[in-house]
Amino acid sequence: QKEVEQDPGPLSVPEGAIVSLNCTYSNSAFQYFMWYRQYSRKGPELLMYTYSSGNKEDGRFTAQVDKSSKYISLFIRDSQPSDSATYLCAMNTGFQKLVFGTGTRLLVSP
Amino acid sequence: ETGVTQSPTHLIKTRGQQVTLRCSSQSGHNTVSWYQQALGQGPQFIFQYYREEENGRGNFPPRFSGLQFPNYSSELNVNALELDDSALYLCASSLSWGTSGGAGDTQYFGPGTRLTVL
Repeated sequence: QKEVEQDPGPLSVPEGAIVSLNCTYSNSAFQYFMWYRQYSRKGPELLMYTYSSGNKEDGRFTAQVDKSSKYISLFIRDSQPSDSATYLCAMNTGFQKLVFGTGTRLLVSP
Repeated sequence: ETGVTQSPTHLIKTRGQQVTLRCSSQSGHNTVSWYQQALGQGPQFIFQYYREEENGRGNFPPRFSGLQFPNYSSELNVNALELDDSALYLCASSLSWGTSGGAGDTQYFGPGTRLTVL
């Protein structure tokens, strides 16, 4: 079993939809949770960074962490075609090795 | 833009050859991590360097080695290339307050080097 599980998609939505992306994990020692966006043939770009449980909002993006369920989510409101990319969840224990999910490919159609 | 650069952008090698990939970290960042991303997968941690010393290694054989230099640059070397080494190689730089990492150790990724082994 992988430490971090993420549905690879693709997830197709119309422009303006609310998008929900999720990851589950098995290591209860993870404390730092991140979401990266990766466009085709580019490096990952950090979107959200959350410590422990709770919510964090930044513009159209909201990250949620539920440590009791070992479940994290990223919500994108008013999705745009420019949001079409692969979204990677990542986490670590504080030691800097990041453990990534496989990434979910998101397609937002105009 | 993260300020992290990598070279070359693309590289084609044959099985058994050796390759060196280069990374230039953000100014002031004392930590660099290298990841391998196979097609359709998330990045896998190879190793990390903190103040020019290896500070953790993932499940990769010794033919993967690295160096970090005082001028914020680093190298990933891979010997005896295998077909399965074909992947996107990413470096990520960060500012750490010690070898154990912690809050605020956000990793900023470069654009990657795409290696193809034939």
